[in-house]
Amino acid sequence: GAVVSQHPSWVICKSGTSVKIECRSLDFQATTMFWYRQFPKQSLMLMATSNEGSKATYEQGVEKDKFLINHASLTLSTLTVTSAHPEDSSFYICSARDRGGGLTDTQYFGPGTRLTVL
Amino acid sequence: AQKVTQAQTEISVVEKEDVTLDCVYETRDTTYYLFWYKQPPSGELVFLIRRNSFDEQNEISGRYSWNFQKSTSSFNFTITASQVVDSAVYFCALTPSGAGSYQLTFGKGTKLSVIP
Repeated sequence: GAVVSQHPSWVICKSGTSVKIECRSLDFQATTMFWYRQFPKQSLMLMATSNEGSKATYEQGVEKDKFLINHASLTLSTLTVTSAHPEDSSFYICSARDRGGGLTDTQYFGPGTRLTVL
Repeated sequence: AQKVTQAQTEISVVEKEDVTLDCVYETRDTTYYLFWYKQPPSGELVFLIRRNSFDEQNEISGRYSWNFQKSTSSFNFTITASQVVDSAVYFCALTPSGAGSYQLTFGKGTKLSVIP
């Protein structure tokens, strides 16, 4: 149980284009999902917290107009990187908090999406 | 403010050796959860364990064991008889257990290399 999927697993795009990353909780409902960014050989940096049916809460320094987050249902959150530039190239990981079954308050992570902007 | 310190950046051991990964944390919260996650080269973070601050019992799961000591604010992780498949980056993390406080504070991770 507690499986989180991400799609795509990797994407290469041209500078100036937008990229959408999907995060799904497959076997549980997640009222809260999180988006992280990870640079090589570094820890995870929280970008934003996404609550179903409400606006995302962004961490300081994260541009909300650039990283659009939509949490449309209890099993799906999307991150759209708008007008991507090479400096946005990174490994993006989502996590989902189990709403009620099993280990509540535990975040389960997706496999990550590697974004490369040319 | 919360902080998680994993002082060991990289560790190398020979297969079948035991290895302990250290984790020290700081928090002002009276109740909290501690976690360990494993990140293999594929990138996915795999949940290993969650420990409630109320529960100081050590836990063993197969070759893995965890030693939680609230007095020293430590939550160390031991792998017994290490295997090559244990090679990964291991993250210790902390979150308050109060309502609405779900954000994880991660340590910087310890890269474990198990040499055959």
